[in-house]
Amino acid sequence: NAGVTQTPKFRVLKTGQSMTLLCAQDMNHEYMYWYRQDPGMGLRLIHYSVGEGTTAKGEVPDGYNVSRLKKQNFLLGLESAAPSQTSVYFCASRGDVRNQPQHFGDGTRLSIL
Amino acid sequence: GENVEQHPSTLSVQEGDSAVIKCTYSDSASNYFPWYKQELGKGPQLIIDIRSNVGEKKDQRIAVTLNKTAKHFSLHITETQPEDSAVYFCAASKRGNTPLVFGKGTRLSVIA
Repeated sequence: NAGVTQTPKFRVLKTGQSMTLLCAQDMNHEYMYWYRQDPGMGLRLIHYSVGEGTTAKGEVPDGYNVSRLKKQNFLLGLESAAPSQTSVYFCASRGDVRNQPQHFGDGTRLSIL
Repeated sequence: GENVEQHPSTLSVQEGDSAVIKCTYSDSASNYFPWYKQELGKGPQLIIDIRSNVGEKKDQRIAVTLNKTAKHFSLHITETQPEDSAVYFCAASKRGNTPLVFGKGTRLSVIA
């Protein structure tokens, strides 16, 4: 059971570089989410998707873009990385039955110098 | 929008003692309240959840209580063990597609 898989697990970028984080789920879930986790701040929602081809902004969307071209994949892009985007990024998914639990990946640790 | 406050931010207990973590929420329309456990280097994992039509739910050593009037819910862990040491998050959401809103987490340390 793979569940939710995030790649890469670690990455170091220089300010201004771009990159894409990939989230893949094999549970046929409709909903997918991207969070960032910073010390003392808990989990903050960046963007989410309620189905293939849809995206919506969360609490902290600035500086990020997302795409959901395939149901099983949810991509998070940083066009021009900034040190403030140094964080641990978590992807999650859940089914479309009301109040189903979210399943999380193990995170991507991103450092921007 | 919804706001979830979680207390305490850190908690240390002796092995075998009980631990209680409390959360309050602001939106009276919220009706789903999960608790997640996050171990070092891992993503959060659901440990128990409760819906607004239930006041209490128990699963072995963990239980969650909900007071809709006061808009607060709590996680209770009895007979704590070292493997209970982790960060715990509460969350709340409304009916439908509304995403979860998380508390800021509680770091629980169980001292052997």
